[in-house]
Amino acid sequence: AIRMTQSPSSFSASTGDRVTITCRASQGISSYLAWYQQKPGKAPKLLIYAASTLQSGVPSRFSGSGSGTDFTLTISCLQSEDFATYYCQQYYSYLWTFGQGTKVEIK
Amino acid sequence: QVQLQESGPGLVKPSQTLSLTCTVSGGSISSGSYYWSWIRQPAGKGLEWIGRIYTSGSTNYNPSLKSRVTISVDTSKNQFSLKLSSVTAADTAVYYCARAAAAANHLDYWGQGTLVTVSS
Repeated sequence: AIRMTQSPSSFSASTGDRVTITCRASQGISSYLAWYQQKPGKAPKLLIYAASTLQSGVPSRFSGSGSGTDFTLTISCLQSEDFATYYCQQYYSYLWTFGQGTKVEIK
Repeated sequence: QVQLQESGPGLVKPSQTLSLTCTVSGGSISSGSYYWSWIRQPAGKGLEWIGRIYTSGSTNYNPSLKSRVTISVDTSKNQFSLKLSSVTAADTAVYYCARAAAAANHLDYWGQGTLVTVSS
């Protein structure tokens, strides 16, 4: 199985900060990567797919980049509603796998 | 707008079979080319993909669960289902159903999730 490793696992940030989350695949996955946001007690919500394509309705402060093995999710100006856990997911392999998650907490 | 809703027992005894159903509304489960998937999340942990069924009925399963998992579809009821046999406490989790377009594979619609506890 392709292993997805996110870093950091958690961190604290303030409203207005620019934040970056990294996801690394154990082997090349081209651009077959999605990012999800999950709030407590809620289902994950698709933010970005194909590594850099913003899902309809998602604010433009979210962006994704990367290809091959290294990917990033950037939130350009953190808002109060962005405090959540973020997951990357590869769909290059038929066996879809997720990263372990990155929790963004309020500083 | 497509909506998915999980249903099934919230409590299952060890060694028994967990059975969940996902009802799809806002579109036909048999139209288009989609993967209908199950994902689970133990409390405080990450997401684990369980498996999927294609519109045609073909399936793929996570090898770690393959011997215990069956996913099926009932087009007449616009539903797809999960059966997980020989459950243990390790199978306690929130179970989500979700949809992915076959041409894209990212999971664009999710159910709200249902907690299943394995306990005697």
